[in-house]
Amino acid sequence: QQQVKQSPQSLIVQKGGIPIINCAYENTAFDYFPWYQQFPGKGPALLIAIRPDVSEKKEGRFTISFNKSAKQFSLHIMDSQPGDSATYFCAATSGYSTLTFGKGTMLLVSP
Amino acid sequence: SAVISQKPSRDICQRGTSLTIQCQVDSQVTMMFWYRQQPGQSLTLIATANQGSEATYESGFVIDKFPISRPNLTFSTLTVSNMSPEDSSIYLCSVENPLGTGELFFGEGSRLTVL
Repeated sequence: QQQVKQSPQSLIVQKGGIPIINCAYENTAFDYFPWYQQFPGKGPALLIAIRPDVSEKKEGRFTISFNKSAKQFSLHIMDSQPGDSATYFCAATSGYSTLTFGKGTMLLVSP
Repeated sequence: SAVISQKPSRDICQRGTSLTIQCQVDSQVTMMFWYRQQPGQSLTLIATANQGSEATYESGFVIDKFPISRPNLTFSTLTVSNMSPEDSSIYLCSVENPLGTGELFFGEGSRLTVL
């Protein structure tokens, strides 16, 4: 019930491509869905987040698409750059504190 | 945002010893969180630490193995006791955004290797 399933585990795209990372959840009480970006040797940092009252949110080159009925959400990175190479985690929570994280997607953007 | 400093950033420890990780935040926060990230894995919440009360541990984590202190609103420690190679992980301190947005800020982590 508390799981967040994330796919793919790893992803390689060419510069300028649009990597898409997908997450699915079971707990309908979840009401906050953030994405975190983690570079090697660093802690995760919030990238973008969405709440269920909207179906899409854009911040710069990063877009979250949210499908409440399917209990799925995804991250799209437009015009991806080598500097976007990192591990991305989706997460979900029904409150402000205890996040359930997906297993992560290691993204490599080749030059 | 909140700036979180963790010490040590990395350490190599012998089996059976204990290590205390310190977490300092540049602003007062109600709750602090300790996560474990095993190599190539996701983040797992160990416990939530409130100032002035006992930490709340998640399933699979116990106080005897991971004692936590929270002496004030800007500082916490996590001790990894009687370490074994299975405890080799990155341990991350985290706090919620003091503005109440739901965002979590993370420290850069403490990478422990147990031999």
